[in-house]
Amino acid sequence: GAVVSQHPSRVICKSGTSVKIECRSLDFQATTMFWYRQFPKQSLMLMATSNEGSKATYEQGVEKDKFLINHASLTLSTLTVTSAHPEDSSFYICSARVQGSETQYFGPGTRLLVL
Amino acid sequence: AQSVTQLDSQVPVFEEAPVELRCNYSSSVSVYLFWYVQYPNQGLQLLLKYLSGSTLVKGINGFEAEFNKSQTSFHLRKPSVHISDTAEYFCAVMARDDKIIFGKGTRLHILP
Repeated sequence: GAVVSQHPSRVICKSGTSVKIECRSLDFQATTMFWYRQFPKQSLMLMATSNEGSKATYEQGVEKDKFLINHASLTLSTLTVTSAHPEDSSFYICSARVQGSETQYFGPGTRLLVL
Repeated sequence: AQSVTQLDSQVPVFEEAPVELRCNYSSSVSVYLFWYVQYPNQGLQLLLKYLSGSTLVKGINGFEAEFNKSQTSFHLRKPSVHISDTAEYFCAVMARDDKIIFGKGTRLHILP
């Protein structure tokens, strides 16, 4: 149990376009989902926390208008990178947590390459 | 606020030898402690966690960790490593109802 999927697993796009990444909890309802960004050989940096039905909480330094997060249901959260630029190229990982639980379950990640 | 320090960025070890990956944390409140493993181009997999109770925690793949409150440490150990243990290992801390803070990671290299 406790499986989290991400789609797509990798995406290549042109500079200036928008890219949507989906995060789904397959066998449980996630009241909270988290989005992380990981640069090569570095740790995960939390970008934002999203609770179902409410606005996401962004970490300091993360542009809200650039990284749009929607958590419309208890099993789906989406991250949209708007007007992507090469510096947005990274590995994006989501995780999901059930309310009252201390454990986060991580998705397999999405590798974004902006040309 | 909480913080996590992984003292070694890389640890080489021969196959079938024991290994210890070090982790120290800082927090003014009680925390939960985690170790995650990340294989190349993959997400994170939970190895083990400490919530409360026994300070020795056993996880998957033969790993275990010991919570030491006085030394604010949560070192990860395995008595005999295998080539398949080659991966990045992240120590993490979380205060109740808060977000997870990750260490910078330790890359475990298994030497034949």
